[in-house]
Amino acid sequence: QKEVEQDPGPLSVPEGAIVSLNCTYSNSAFQYFMWYRQYSRKGPELLMYTYSSGNKEDGRFTAQVDKSSKYISLFIRDSQPSDSATYLCAMALFSGGYNKLIFGAGTRLAVHP
Amino acid sequence: ETGVTQSPTHLIKTRGQQVTLRCSSQSGHNTVSWYQQALGQGPQFIFQYYREEENGRGNFPPRFSGLQFPNYSSELNVNALELDDSALYLCASSFSVDGSGGSQYFGPGTRLLVL
Repeated sequence: QKEVEQDPGPLSVPEGAIVSLNCTYSNSAFQYFMWYRQYSRKGPELLMYTYSSGNKEDGRFTAQVDKSSKYISLFIRDSQPSDSATYLCAMALFSGGYNKLIFGAGTRLAVHP
Repeated sequence: ETGVTQSPTHLIKTRGQQVTLRCSSQSGHNTVSWYQQALGQGPQFIFQYYREEENGRGNFPPRFSGLQFPNYSSELNVNALELDDSALYLCASSFSVDGSGGSQYFGPGTRLLVL
């Protein structure tokens, strides 16, 4: 079983839709939770960073963390064609003196006009 | 504020050769991590450098090695290249080694093709 599970999609939605992206994880020691956006053939871009259960909002993006269920979500409101990308969830673990990120496989999102 | 930069952007090598990839960390960041991303997969942690020393490694063989310099820039070296080493190699920098100062910020990556 992978430490982080993420549905690879692809997910196709019309412009203006609300998008819900999800990840589950198995390691309760994860301390920080992130969402990255990656356009084709580019590096991942940090969207959201959080360390506690609950919601965090930034513009059209809302990150939700439920540590008791080991489940995180990213919601995108009023989706735009420019949101078409792969979305990666990542968990951070600081152990043994170093901090590594463990990623999901990524969900491909296509927003069509 | 300058972001993370990597060079070269693309590279083609043949099996058995050696390659060096370079990374300049974001201003103010003292920790550099390297990741390998195969097509259609999430990035996989290779190793992390802090204070010019490797302080953590993922499940990668010793032919993957690195350096960090006093200005916090870093190199990734891969010896005896194999076909499976073809991937996007990502460098990420962060403000603190324990992650408490914020997350890791990634560069654009170097795409390596091994023939």
